[in-house]
Amino acid sequence: EDKVVQSPLSLVVHEGDTVTLNCSYEVTNFRSLLWYKQEKKAPTFLFMLTSSGIEKKSGRLSSILDKKELFSILNITATQTGDSAIYLCAVEEGNYGGATNKLIFGTGTLLAVQP
Amino acid sequence: DSGVTQTPKHLITATGQRVTLRCSPRSGDLSVYWYQQSLDQGLQFLIQYYNGEERAKGNILERFSAQQFPDLHSELNLSSLELGDSALYFCASSSPILRGHSYNEQFFGPGTRLTVL
Repeated sequence: EDKVVQSPLSLVVHEGDTVTLNCSYEVTNFRSLLWYKQEKKAPTFLFMLTSSGIEKKSGRLSSILDKKELFSILNITATQTGDSAIYLCAVEEGNYGGATNKLIFGTGTLLAVQP
Repeated sequence: DSGVTQTPKHLITATGQRVTLRCSPRSGDLSVYWYQQSLDQGLQFLIQYYNGEERAKGNILERFSAQQFPDLHSELNLSSLELGDSALYFCASSSPILRGHSYNEQFFGPGTRLTVL
């Protein structure tokens, strides 16, 4: 059965700290891995990763994928209170070229950044 | 604002009842996805429609059904509701998959919170 596992389940840090969120997966027909940030409402897209070893960066956030070991990490440096959210990892599963890109989500990591 | 709309925002109903959740995708998007998010299960894929046809099925109960209409809006019907169906239901949409593109980002609507009493 396909699964995506995130750790830790939750963490509390102080502003300015650096955090690393983990995501491991076992998915047949892997196409890509995605990170989303969910605050009070809908998940918002952060990154999509398809190739191993290539870091994606957006400001203080960065992410990398290891397709051999089947995991990804999301790093947030110099955390701010506005980073407090649930961070969701999802793996896109499907056949290349088809019109199906089902996302299998992990349960998420709840990050709380205290001032 | 993702451009995906969902109604209603919040729904409270009793066990045994039936409800319909509605989703309008972003303009031009042909694919609609439904997800259920509960505290203990996380975000779970339910079903996908593409241009009116069912394309993929996830962990969707037999009591649940969905359809996508010619104008591309979609409805998720939940019947014989149980307490455990209480959750946030998200709809997402994406553009058609084009050759050479590995992924089309799914844009999520604001969700419908269903409370079953």
